[in-house]
Amino acid sequence: DAKTTQPNSMESNEEEPVHLPCNHSTISGTDYIHWYRQLPSQGPEYVIHGLTSNVNNRMASLAIAEDRKSSTLILHRATLRDAAVYYCILRDALKNNAGNMLTFGGGTRLMVKP
Amino acid sequence: ETGVTQTPRHLVMGMTNKKSLKCEQHLGHNAMYWYKQSAKKPLELMFVYSLEERVENNSVPSRFSPECPNSSHLFLHLHTLQPEDSALYLCASSQDVGGRGLGITQYFGPGTRLTVL
Repeated sequence: DAKTTQPNSMESNEEEPVHLPCNHSTISGTDYIHWYRQLPSQGPEYVIHGLTSNVNNRMASLAIAEDRKSSTLILHRATLRDAAVYYCILRDALKNNAGNMLTFGGGTRLMVKP
Repeated sequence: ETGVTQTPRHLVMGMTNKKSLKCEQHLGHNAMYWYKQSAKKPLELMFVYSLEERVENNSVPSRFSPECPNSSHLFLHLHTLQPEDSALYLCASSQDVGGRGLGITQYFGPGTRLTVL
């Protein structure tokens, strides 16, 4: 299964943009890139996902490299409430087997300084 | 309530006790999941139910027993647990498009913090 690599932790200043990187050099052509985040004392929550094109939603933007071997989650203006662990996960949505589940790695712990 | 709820939020039990964790989803989804999150370890998928049938069991010890009586409710029955089973137990749900737990987005509950003495 394709795996992802993320930095263990990152720091950001409040109200500044944050770029969270994810490397997935063994990504297959049908792997979707998903991002979840886990706020303190809460379960993970979905942030965004994409396949090839960059994606935007109300929470964040996802920039996907042309070769798809890396991606970046962009928080345009970090707030203290964005302090969380961010997980980058690959899923092959075309695989029709029970093993195609969300597999969480260690993620990146984002700390936001006021 | 909306979303995915879990009760209790905190549970302390002895190794000889029997207890159950409850999860309820109010999203109309047809797939539900149990995850375990131990300190300093990634989330581990334990069980998956799709259309009330178990489709995945990731080699979980038999002292954990799931039950899915309908698409909105999921239980995790616990008996003779060990201290190393202390963890945050998370429930999630999704709309399964393929009958095999392939929902694009999973919605998580807040978890039950379990401590086994």
